[in-house]
Amino acid sequence: GDSVTQTEGPVTLSEGTSLTVNCSYETKQYPTLFWYVQYPGEGPQLLFKVPKANEKGSSRGFEATYNKEATSFHLQKASVQESDSAVYYCALTHSWNMGYKLTFGTGTSLLVDP
Amino acid sequence: DSGVVQSPRHIIKEKGGRSVLTCIPISGHSNVVWYQQTLGKELKFLIQHYEKVERDKGFLPSRFSVQQFDDYHSEMNMSALELEDSAMYFCASSRTGGRSDYTFGSGTRLLVI
Repeated sequence: GDSVTQTEGPVTLSEGTSLTVNCSYETKQYPTLFWYVQYPGEGPQLLFKVPKANEKGSSRGFEATYNKEATSFHLQKASVQESDSAVYYCALTHSWNMGYKLTFGTGTSLLVDP
Repeated sequence: DSGVVQSPRHIIKEKGGRSVLTCIPISGHSNVVWYQQTLGKELKFLIQHYEKVERDKGFLPSRFSVQQFDDYHSEMNMSALELEDSAMYFCASSRTGGRSDYTFGSGTRLLVI
């Protein structure tokens, strides 16, 4: 089956520093890759997705490049803010039996100190 | 677009009891999935329905059943509840066709005592 592995947390950073959350995946299908973010008391929400290899996705200053050869999709942000404190999930999906199941990584908690 | 609506928001049940969780997808979304989240982090795939047909099943216990109705809303019936069923349960929906984005509801927190 599919699997997603990402940086173990928690990650604690000071405001203004850079962030990298590693994500690698395994699948026998051709996936679409996602980063989701979850704030306390809420469901996960889409940060961005990248359906094609070697393309970049971005949103709110976060970005990730779909590296098909390395099967990686690392999340980066040049300068984090306190409001970025949340749990970040790498995920993949592909067509299966007319549906699209999301397989999530275990999540990386980010705490940004002001 | 009122988002994915889950009810109830919180529920407490005794061990051995029963519960029903409801998910109303976004209008026009016929693909609905359920996830369990424990320890505040891991999202475990339970089951997926597309056009009212079960398409994939993950870690759904045999004590639980899920049905999708004609209006595409989904209900999870949980019986013989165990302490380890205590968790957040999220449903999410997406449009038919294509690699659509999932929109998650705010979840139901189940506590089994």
